[in-house]
Amino acid sequence: DVKVTQSSRYLVKRTGEKVFLECVQDMDHENMFWYRQDPGLGLRLIYFSYDVKMKEKGDIPEGYSVSREKKERFSLILESASTNQTSMYLCASRLAGVDTQYFGPGTRLTVL
Amino acid sequence: KNEVEQSPQNLTAQEGEFITINCSYSVGISALHWLQQHPGGGIVSLFMLSSGKKKHGRLIATINIQEKHSSLHITASHPRDSAVYICAVEGYSSGSARQLTFGSGTQLTVLP
Repeated sequence: DVKVTQSSRYLVKRTGEKVFLECVQDMDHENMFWYRQDPGLGLRLIYFSYDVKMKEKGDIPEGYSVSREKKERFSLILESASTNQTSMYLCASRLAGVDTQYFGPGTRLTVL
Repeated sequence: KNEVEQSPQNLTAQEGEFITINCSYSVGISALHWLQQHPGGGIVSLFMLSSGKKKHGRLIATINIQEKHSSLHITASHPRDSAVYICAVEGYSSGSARQLTFGSGTQLTVLP
């Protein structure tokens, strides 16, 4: 079974703090994705990566950066958290050329 | 206008009822996905369609490429089917990290 894990289920941070969200997958997938999910807006792609050290901006990259130093790990970084980044963050991975994306359990981030 | 529209946004049914959730999209796609999200956040892939119809247990998904429309049907619904059902479309891409565009989801509640 593919397993995608995220470092925290719930996280509370203060405005201006640097926030790291970690995602790890155990199935040697090339592609990894970070989404945020907000009521009424659905899932929106923040960044994705198709290989180690490779990254591409998604639809809403502003205020975020990512890091992929190892194939199994994809990190989302909020350099200076703001209240409008309060959201559910979901990581996903996918084997290149295969259809199914596998999702992590999500991290609900609250920025005060 | 969103590229992916789902209807209804909310649906309440009695146990045993036949349920239909609809998805319309406005762009050319290479595939359409149906996903299920249970309370707590975890998302599971149900189907990937590029044409015709697929069935898995009590779930049936259909797609009409000409009409840019897909439906997800649940036969003999059960309270454990209560979840958010999400439609997502996959555009044409030369890259391996094919991105998904998501609808905002349909909240289904099945009452005993």
